[in-house]
Amino acid sequence: DTGVSQDPRHKITKRGQNVTFRCDPISEHNRLYWYRQTLGQGPEFLTYFQNEAQLEKSRLLSDRFSAERPKGSFSTLEIQRTEQGDSAMYLCASSLVGNYNEQFFGPGTRLTVL
Amino acid sequence: KQEVTQIPAALSVPEGENLVLNCSFTDSAIYNLQWFRQDPGKGLTSLLLIQSSQREQTSGRLNASLDKSSGRSTLYIAASQPGDSATYLCAVSNRDDKIIFGKGTRLHILP
Repeated sequence: DTGVSQDPRHKITKRGQNVTFRCDPISEHNRLYWYRQTLGQGPEFLTYFQNEAQLEKSRLLSDRFSAERPKGSFSTLEIQRTEQGDSAMYLCASSLVGNYNEQFFGPGTRLTVL
Repeated sequence: KQEVTQIPAALSVPEGENLVLNCSFTDSAIYNLQWFRQDPGKGLTSLLLIQSSQREQTSGRLNASLDKSSGRSTLYIAASQPGDSATYLCAVSNRDDKIIFGKGTRLHILP
């Protein structure tokens, strides 16, 4: 499978715990995006990388959130001290610069904070 | 600030009918517009991408149009099938980076 993959697909955690999600983009794609989607809403932008550089972060990304893409390939999104309001689907997408910004999405990680 | 609106929020039609989903956006200076499909609890599947210089794109039974000046796009689905049931999301980008989504139209095709 050469699409975007995300791990885990589902995560249930207790409030206050830390969680980390992983995204593997399409191999030749140099851009990687994180979005968050709550029930009944469209996805909202969180942050994106070009290669290993984090180029933009949304105001939605509080200090408890951190994202990395250390070698310009896979990325991790960590949420510290989770809150119930963090419960959502976390979506990763990748694209190739110069390809009209067509973004391809992974299956998402569903986070439930109890 | 770019805002994307999709109407209707939900739609049910009998199998075999043609249908149109609508999308509007407030800032016409877009880089591109994409239509996505999302099945319940799943990720997004890209259906069509229209560059800012284009007016429409077609893929099989799907046709998407773009009118930048009026800030509108439509997704036309011909001869609908039960397998078309899903949420359809419209998304625009103003630059070559993040995209801004509407809330989607939940489509149900009645067998």
